[in-house]
Amino acid sequence: DIVMTQSPDSLAVSLGERASINCKSSQSVLYSSNNKNYLAWYQQKPGQPPKLLISWASSRESGVPDRFSASGSGTDFTLSISSLQAEDVAVYYCQHYFDTPQSFGQGTKLEI
Amino acid sequence: QVQLQESGPGLVKPSEALSLTCTVSGGSVNDYFWGWIRQPPGKGLELIGNIYYDGSSTNYNPSLKARVTISADTSKKQYSLKLSSVTAADTAIYYCARVRTTATFFDAFDMWGPGTMVTVSS
Repeated sequence: DIVMTQSPDSLAVSLGERASINCKSSQSVLYSSNNKNYLAWYQQKPGQPPKLLISWASSRESGVPDRFSASGSGTDFTLSISSLQAEDVAVYYCQHYFDTPQSFGQGTKLEI
Repeated sequence: QVQLQESGPGLVKPSEALSLTCTVSGGSVNDYFWGWIRQPPGKGLELIGNIYYDGSSTNYNPSLKARVTISADTSKKQYSLKLSSVTAADTAIYYCARVRTTATFFDAFDMWGPGTMVTVSS
């Protein structure tokens, strides 16, 4: 099974500053036949279900502010928020969907 | 707009079965995979399994496979989760969600229900 490990577990960033969250998979989630990384990022605010932010490692979902970006390939991925806003306080999860069982990282709590 | 809503008992006794239903409204269920994910209080997310819209294909997390059954009722646009022999470790918020791309479960979950809290306690 592929294990997803995020770092750090928690992060405090000042308003307007950049936040970066890392996600590492125990095996590559890059599918060679289509050159796609089977990795997503979600944002979960208290009392709410997760919200899909990024898929295919770097493709932002419709409606997601462009201050959110993501990069990486193979086993190492990063979610970045360029200028932290108060509404970005949440727990962020990465998830692989490369094979079964799909799994999530343990989450990174982002605070101001 | 597609909406998902989980329903079922909020309290289940140890050793009994947990049964939940996800009802889809506002759109078609056809050709999508639908998943169940759970989240213990204060902890991370765990995929339980998913099912093709017509029930013809299911995939379960091996860690839960022996106790899980996911079924479909397309006429009601409902997906049901049954988890047998529950213990306190099964206490969690249970979410249903839709896999974004049709005819595959190798994609992200783009729509989620609000979740339902299930507590296992005598």
